[in-house]
This record gives sequence, structure tokens and C-alpha cells, in this order.
Amino acid sequence: GAVVSQHPSWVICKSGTSVKIECRSLDFQATTMFWYRQFPKQSLMLMATSNEGSKATYEQGVEKDKFLINHASLTLSTLTVTSAHPEDSSFYICSARESGGYGYTFGSGTRLTVV
Amino acid sequence: QKEVEQNSGPLSVPEGAIASLNCTYSDRGSQSFFWYRQYSGKSPELIMFIYSNGDKEDGRFTAQLNKASQYVSLLIRDSQPSDSATYLCAVKLGNTPLVFGKGTRLSVIA
Repeated sequence: GAVVSQHPSWVICKSGTSVKIECRSLDFQATTMFWYRQFPKQSLMLMATSNEGSKATYEQGVEKDKFLINHASLTLSTLTVTSAHPEDSSFYICSARESGGYGYTFGSGTRLTVV
Repeated sequence: QKEVEQNSGPLSVPEGAIASLNCTYSDRGSQSFFWYRQYSGKSPELIMFIYSNGDKEDGRFTAQLNKASQYVSLLIRDSQPSDSATYLCAVKLGNTPLVFGKGTRLSVIA
């Protein structure tokens, strides 16, 4: 089945620094990947849709200059949290769908803690 | 605005019983429906999807879809303690991203 690899699985950073999270589709090509954020005991909230070779589409209320998304190849999308602050601490998860498939496969998630 | 509603729970069932999880959605044009299981601190994993009215069975899991009532459910037979998790219902319309409910927390008591 489709596998999505996400790294790192957890990261602690100082306030004001930037953190990059990688999401790779290991055995399929993903023209579209999705980035979600999940706060404790909350549901997944879609942040943006990442499109290979073009600009990401951000959901309302998500700052595109703060959450930089790059989808330079059919197997890799990155999310960079710039100038991170404690309120950005959350569980970030990427997702992709294999062409022709129905189910969306999730990466293992990244637990970001900003101190 | 598309909405997906789930009872947050917790839903507690004894081991071996049938757990019934329910989900309603607001957009009548929704076409595909997904159930994900999420263990605490982990990312969601797909259990099954359904897109036609009626039942779809996969092992101990049965998804039921009623588009007229805008209702989708997941039945878990012979519930096991390892089934204890949060179950997320997700809905898709055309090529739009999945819209998730807040999830129902299931607790299977041994």
C-alpha cells in the first residue's frame, strides 16, 4: 500500500527559530499533498494543499508567510514554520493520495514544541 | 460551509460487544466517506471508505451509508481493547480535500 514518510517525528525549538518538516511519498507519486495541524483533543484542521510545481493553496486564517510550503517534486513536500512561537506548538501531519486510489494516507506526524 | 459532526464520546463498550460510531454531514453533494482510527499521539490510519448507499464490510468493521439522511456509521464487531482509540469520520466532495469530524473516542473495557 501507499506509504508516506514524515520527518522529523518530533522537534523542540526555541522561539523565533524556523523548523522544516518533510513529507515524502515512498512508493507513489503525489501531485497533491495536504498539511494538517492538530491541537490536543481537537480534530485535524487543514492548513494548506500543496501542489507539485505550483504555489500552495492555504486555508482561511493560515498565514502563508509563516507556514512556507514547497512541493518541488512529485514525492516531496516540505512545511517550514518560520519564526516559531509557543502557540505554534502542535502536531503537524501530512497526507497524500495515490493516483487512482480512494484513501488518503497520512504521514506519521511531527510533534513540534516551541519553547 | 461543509460540516462533519460526531459525538465526542467517550463511548464505552465491553470487550466482545458491538461498537457503533455515528457521523452526520451537512453537504448533500458529498461523494466519498472515510473512517480513520487515531491512537493517542499517532497519526490517523485508514480503516475503510464507502461511497455507495448501503453496507460495506471488511473483517470486523462495517461501514453504513445513508445519503438521504446524510448519515454514515461504523460498526465494530467483537470489540477488543486494542480498538480503543479516536475514530475520525471524513467526507470528500469532488476534488476538494477531506473534511474531518472531531472524532469519537472509543473505550473498550476488558
